[in-house]
Amino acid sequence: DIQMTQSPSSVSASVGDRVTITCRASQGISSWLAWYQQKPGKAPKLLIYAASSLQSGVPSRFSGSGSGTDFTLTISSLQPEDFATYYCQQANSFLFTFGPGTKVDIK
Amino acid sequence: QLQLQESGPGLVKPSETLSLTCTVSGGSISSSSYYWGWIRQPPGKGLEWIGSIYYSGSTYYNPSLKSRVTISVDTSKNQFSLKLSSVTAADTAVYYCARVWPHFTDKEFGYYFDYWGQGTLVTVSS
Repeated sequence: DIQMTQSPSSVSASVGDRVTITCRASQGISSWLAWYQQKPGKAPKLLIYAASSLQSGVPSRFSGSGSGTDFTLTISSLQPEDFATYYCQQANSFLFTFGPGTKVDIK
Repeated sequence: QLQLQESGPGLVKPSETLSLTCTVSGGSISSSSYYWGWIRQPPGKGLEWIGSIYYSGSTYYNPSLKSRVTISVDTSKNQFSLKLSSVTAADTAVYYCARVWPHFTDKEFGYYFDYWGQGTLVTVSS
């Protein structure tokens, strides 16, 4: 199985801050990576697919980059509605695995 | 607008079988463009993919759960279902159904969960 790790596990930030979350795969997955946002009591929401493509309706302050084993999710200017937990997911084949999550909370 | 809704018992006894159904509305489960899947999340923990199915009935399971999982599809009802046998307390989780969207890049398909149900909490307890 491909293992996914994320760092940091949590980050405290203020509105307007730039936030970067890192995801690493245990083996190369080309660009087959997604990012999801999950708020308490809600289902995850797809933000980024194919490592860097913005899902329809997602604000442009979200961006993704990377390929192979190392990926990043960046929120350019954190908004109040962005406080949530973020998960990466390797999407290469029907052996999907998620990262452990990064919680973004208010500083 | 596509919607998915999970249904089934919220409480299951240890050693019994957990059974959930996902009803799809606003779109056809028989679309050749998508797969369908189940994901679970234990309280306070991360996401775990359980398995996926194509409308034709082809299935794909997480190896760690494969011996206990069966996913099936009923195209006449626009539903797909999950059965997880021999449950223990470790199977207590919020269970989500989701649409799996194949997207072609880098000469292969990536598979992304683009629509999700609201989730249903299943507790395993006597």
